[in-house]
Amino acid sequence: EIVMTQTPLSLSVTPGQPASISCKSSQSLLHSDGKTYLFWFLQKPGQSPQLLMYEVSGRFSGVPDRFTGSGSGTDFTLNISRVEAEDVGVYYCMQGIYFPRTFGQGTKVEIK
Amino acid sequence: EVQLLESGGGLVRPGGSLRLSCTASGFTFRSYAMGWVRQAPGKGLEWVSSIGSSGGDSYYADSVEGRFTVSRDNSKNTLYLQMDSVKVEDTAIYYCAKGRHFNVWGRGSLVIVSS
Repeated sequence: EIVMTQTPLSLSVTPGQPASISCKSSQSLLHSDGKTYLFWFLQKPGQSPQLLMYEVSGRFSGVPDRFTGSGSGTDFTLNISRVEAEDVGVYYCMQGIYFPRTFGQGTKVEIK
Repeated sequence: EVQLLESGGGLVRPGGSLRLSCTASGFTFRSYAMGWVRQAPGKGLEWVSSIGSSGGDSYYADSVEGRFTVSRDNSKNTLYLQMDSVKVEDTAIYYCAKGRHFNVWGRGSLVIVSS
């Protein structure tokens, strides 16, 4: 089973300031098809999770361009260039290359 | 608009059974793999099971293997999760999600396992 490790587990950010979340996998997420199957989800308070980023850096439909995903192999980062109030919630990374699918522990982002 | 609606949750006693359903709309259901992900109270996300578009291949987390069965009826645009021999630790909100990598999620169905 691939272990996904997120840091930090919580983040308090001033509106307009940047934020960064790290996700490390215990094995490479690079598939033989050339794609890297790392995904980011956001669960806003009281809501279902929603997909933010697919295959490391692809922004899902409707996701603002202040969100940027990067990384390769086993090390990945989600960056928010200027945090807004609507960005609060818990962010999860997930690997989609092997079963069982595994998620990181989650990073709780709050506004100062 | 793509929508997923879970149903069938509720209170069940340890050792009992429950069947969750997920009704899909707004996309060609038969063309997509589907999955179930759960979230215990106050905890993170845990993948439970996934099934291929035709239903011919299915996968399970070790924690539910042999007790839960995923299936689908493409003529009814519906995904199922049959939960047998449930345990207290199965208490969670169960979400169904579209695709191999969960690009759309339902609102969830709460399952409480308690005596």
